[in-house]
Amino acid sequence: AQSVTQLGSHVSVSEGALVLLRCNYSSSVPPYLFWYVQYPNQGLQLLLKYTSAATLVKGINGFEAEFKKSETSFHLTKPSAHMSDAAEYFCAVSGPRQGAQKLVFGQGTRLTINP
Amino acid sequence: ETGVTQSPTHLIKTRGQQVTLRCSSQSGHNTVSWYQQALGQGPQFIFQYYREEENGRGNFPPRFSGLQFPNYSSELNVNALELDDSALYLCASSLPSAHEQYFGPGTRLTVT
Repeated sequence: AQSVTQLGSHVSVSEGALVLLRCNYSSSVPPYLFWYVQYPNQGLQLLLKYTSAATLVKGINGFEAEFKKSETSFHLTKPSAHMSDAAEYFCAVSGPRQGAQKLVFGQGTRLTINP
Repeated sequence: ETGVTQSPTHLIKTRGQQVTLRCSSQSGHNTVSWYQQALGQGPQFIFQYYREEENGRGNFPPRFSGLQFPNYSSELNVNALELDDSALYLCASSLPSAHEQYFGPGTRLTVT
């Protein structure tokens, strides 16, 4: 079975500081990995995806993530936080490759930006 | 290009009642998945529909059922509502060959 663990349910950074949101996955097959963002009272928006091509993936709004197989990690980073980045972030893994492509989500990390 | 839409936005039901939630997939997407997101939790997979048939199901009881129509829109039906069914219900659409899914804004269901 596939699973995702997000380390830290709440992360708080100052505006302009580095954002680092941690995600570790478990998968018996090569995974497809995703980061989604959810603003209050809204659905989920895809930030970026890893699909076995380049290990460093760039997404929208200046976010990027690096797939590290040896560490089973897919951490999300942004060099300089902006107030508009305040939201809930979810890491997800997809699989299996055959059959329903269901997403398995982590518990989420709430990102707060301090002025 | 039209994104995923869901209706209604909010819904209040009484325990024991039945509810139907609706979803229109993104243009060109023929696969629809439904997720339940309880407060403070990540979304949980309910089931997926492809070509009008159920194509996988999560750990949800049979009182959760669905339909997909020829235009790829979908319905989620929940019978005999329980208080724990209170959640945000998310619909997502995708292409069958792609792993990424695109989500609608969700329907907030409150069961009293």
